[in-house]
Amino acid sequence: EAGVAQSPRYKIIEKRQSVAFWCNPISGHATLYWYQQILGQGPKLLIQFQNNGVVDDSQLPKDRFSAERLKGVDSTLKIQPAKLEDSAVYLCASSLAGTSLETQYFGPGTRLLVL
Amino acid sequence: EDKVVQSPLSLVVHEGDTVTLNCSYEVTNFRSLLWYKQEKKAPTFLFMLTSSGIEKKSGRLSSILDKKELSSILNITATQTGDSAIYLCAVGVGGYSTLTFGKGTMLLVSP
Repeated sequence: EAGVAQSPRYKIIEKRQSVAFWCNPISGHATLYWYQQILGQGPKLLIQFQNNGVVDDSQLPKDRFSAERLKGVDSTLKIQPAKLEDSAVYLCASSLAGTSLETQYFGPGTRLLVL
Repeated sequence: EDKVVQSPLSLVVHEGDTVTLNCSYEVTNFRSLLWYKQEKKAPTFLFMLTSSGIEKKSGRLSSILDKKELSSILNITATQTGDSAIYLCAVGVGGYSTLTFGKGTMLLVSP
């Protein structure tokens, strides 16, 4: 079974620039998550999709971050404009149906450095 | 606000030692507790503990959930250098699988 795919693996941008990350979940997984992991911290949920609808985006900085999952499969996360404090690893995860008794499977992440 | 606290934050042991990692939580509507191992980037799943499954074991790794004390431990016996990683504890709350993670424990196993 193929895992969660993410691209790019690394990205370096200057502050105030924009950046986009892509995620393709495990086939058949209805739920997709984007996490932000700052160095020395655990992952923090940014947004959770159930199919193509948003379940939880309470911790997404909506003035600069946006995400979509138009066809209920792959997803993009965008930052515009980027700030220095956005430097982090952005992890995408997926689970089968989105219940709290399921395992979430993580992709390799995208390491973002904002200069 | 839901909170997950892991201890210690870092740990150095010698190959062959046994280690115990701790995770405590304060959350509303607890559903599950998960342990992940993170090497380089992607966290990989180790165990899920719930009210109906409070003890899990796989090879040299085992974990127990104490719902009374709102905590869990992860034990690794006969540690190997390949066990060096960050171990993350996460708690699932509510009907949806929202996970709150701790900061992790960085384990270094020296040869």
